[in-house]
Amino acid sequence: EAGVAQSPRYKIIEKRQSVAFWCNPISGHATLYWYQQILGQGPKLLIQFQNNGVVDDSQLPKDRFSAERLKGVDSTLKIQPAKLEDSAVYLCASSPHSASYNEQFFGPGTRLTVL
Amino acid sequence: GDSVTQMEGPVTLSEEAFLTINCTYTATGYPSLFWYVQYPGEGLQLLLKATKADDKGSNKGFEATYRKETTSFHLEKGSVQVSDSAVYFCALSDEGNKLVFGAGTILRVKS
Repeated sequence: EAGVAQSPRYKIIEKRQSVAFWCNPISGHATLYWYQQILGQGPKLLIQFQNNGVVDDSQLPKDRFSAERLKGVDSTLKIQPAKLEDSAVYLCASSPHSASYNEQFFGPGTRLTVL
Repeated sequence: GDSVTQMEGPVTLSEEAFLTINCTYTATGYPSLFWYVQYPGEGLQLLLKATKADDKGSNKGFEATYRKETTSFHLEKGSVQVSDSAVYFCALSDEGNKLVFGAGTILRVKS
């Protein structure tokens, strides 16, 4: 079974530029998550989708971050414009559904550096 | 809000030593508890989990018991190996399956 795929793996941009990350979850997984992991910290949830609907985006900085999950499969996370403090690893995860005991399967992450 | 606190690292042990990584949590409901591990150059992967009080999760020689009375979920292993060197994250999951992670503990095992 293929795992969660993410691209690109690395991205370096200047502040105020835009960037987009892509995630393809495990086939059949209804729930998709985006996390931000700043160096030295644990991952922090940015947004959670159930199929193509948003379940929780309370910690997403909506003035600059946006995300979509068209057709309930792939998802894209965008930052526009980027700030220095957005430098982090962006992790995508998926699970079969949103029950609390469900394991979340993580992708390899995209490491973003904002200069 | 919900939160997880785990012991700071790095933790440095010799091979075959006993490992304990402390984890305590604060939650309003009845969360599920997890330990995730991140090996060098790899993504996060589930190590073990427990979904209710007094449950013991175990995998690859690691164990953790869900202690509601002390709000703890300490990770233990009787004899660590060099290959266990990684970053270990304690996490809880609420009813909506949102994971709340601790800051992570770096484990280094010397041969």
